[in-house]
Amino acid sequence: NAGVTQTPKFRVLKTGQSMTLLCAQDMNHEYMYWYRQDPGMGLRLIHYSVGEGTTAKGEVPDGYNVSRLKKQNFLLGLESAAPSQTSVYFCASSSYEGGYNEQFFGPGTRLTVL
Amino acid sequence: AQSVTQPDIHITVSEGASLELRCNYSYGATPYLFWYVQSPGQGLQLLLKYFSGDTLVQGIKGFEAEFKRSQSSFNLRKPSVHWSDAAEYFCAVAGAGGGADGLTFGKGTHLIIQP
Repeated sequence: NAGVTQTPKFRVLKTGQSMTLLCAQDMNHEYMYWYRQDPGMGLRLIHYSVGEGTTAKGEVPDGYNVSRLKKQNFLLGLESAAPSQTSVYFCASSSYEGGYNEQFFGPGTRLTVL
Repeated sequence: AQSVTQPDIHITVSEGASLELRCNYSYGATPYLFWYVQSPGQGLQLLLKYFSGDTLVQGIKGFEAEFKRSQSSFNLRKPSVHWSDAAEYFCAVAGAGGGADGLTFGKGTHLIIQP
């Protein structure tokens, strides 16, 4: 099993450009998440999904959109990138087993917006 | 809403010495608590978790953590650190959903191991 994979690994954008980050998991997990990691800030939740076709906002959703058309994929979109969105983006997936959700993380996507 | 505080941004420990990383949480009920480790350029790996039962929990790589409700703490410990333990450590908390609606992370503690 590949676990959680993220595409691309690195990307440089100019202000105003758009892009989509792809997260894929092969563990048949119901739940998927997008976090961003900034220096000295830890990880902050952007959006999440509790099942195919459903999405919800997290702590820092502004400037991002998401879609979960297939259970195994969770897409994060930036419609008009801004320098403040320069960050490392992590995707995670989980299932509810044993009374809690253990989240499995992907390797991250490093995004720079110039 | 829940929150997590990791008071130490950096900690330096000599190889072979013991380690304790501090984590304090804020949540009205019994929380779900996690410790994750992030090696440079990598994703996060779960070290251990607590949500009920024995307040001393064992994890991978020789780590353990103790849940103290009276102090709202969930400190991570290891009796003897190895150079490979150098990494960023994150404490995280989840509310009643057990993490279904995401985790709230602390800002992390950067662990440096001196030879």
